[in-house]
Amino acid sequence: KAGVTQTPRYLIKTRGQQVTLSCSPISGHRSVSWYQQTPGQGLQFLFEYFSETQRNKGNFPGRFSGRQFSNSRSEMNVSTLELGDSALYLCASSSLSTGAGGAGELFFGEGSRLTVL
Amino acid sequence: AQRVTQPEKLLSVFKGAPVELKCNYSYSGSPELFWYVQYSRQRLQLLLRHISRESIKGFTADLNKGETSFHLKKPFAQEEDSAMYYCALGGSTLGRLYFGRGTQLTVWP
Repeated sequence: KAGVTQTPRYLIKTRGQQVTLSCSPISGHRSVSWYQQTPGQGLQFLFEYFSETQRNKGNFPGRFSGRQFSNSRSEMNVSTLELGDSALYLCASSSLSTGAGGAGELFFGEGSRLTVL
Repeated sequence: AQRVTQPEKLLSVFKGAPVELKCNYSYSGSPELFWYVQYSRQRLQLLLRHISRESIKGFTADLNKGETSFHLKKPFAQEEDSAMYYCALGGSTLGRLYFGRGTQLTVWP
């Protein structure tokens, strides 16, 4: 079974630009969660989507948004980039929705490393 | 409020020595605890979960509800255990997994 795939793997943007990251979950998984990983803060939860519906959202500004398509692929968008947005963005898929109380195993992608200059 | 605390950011031991990575949580409901591991240049992956009560790669973790802890232990550390370890908390009312900030374990030869 193919794992979680994230694209692009690396990208460099400048302040004020916007970025879109993509995540393809494991086949059959309907839950996709996004995390921001930084050395200082660890893993910070952004949001979770399940069957095209946002189930839960972390404490991030509205510049961070996401969506999920009918094939369970998900995208997250960050608008008006700031230097502090530089991080590794991880996507994780699961057969259960943690937003609905399920706590199934999360399968992570390799991440998209965003650098904001 | 729910929280996961991993008090050690860095932990170093020598090969063959016992190792314990600490994890404490706060949650008023019935917790589900996990340990995730990230080896160098690999993706984050599940190591073990408390409900399975199994040993993975020689690691065990026991949920102690009285002390609200879920410490990860291994009696004899190996060099290949060097990695970043994250403790995670789930629960039926949480709506998401809460991760600790992680402990970087280094096992010296």
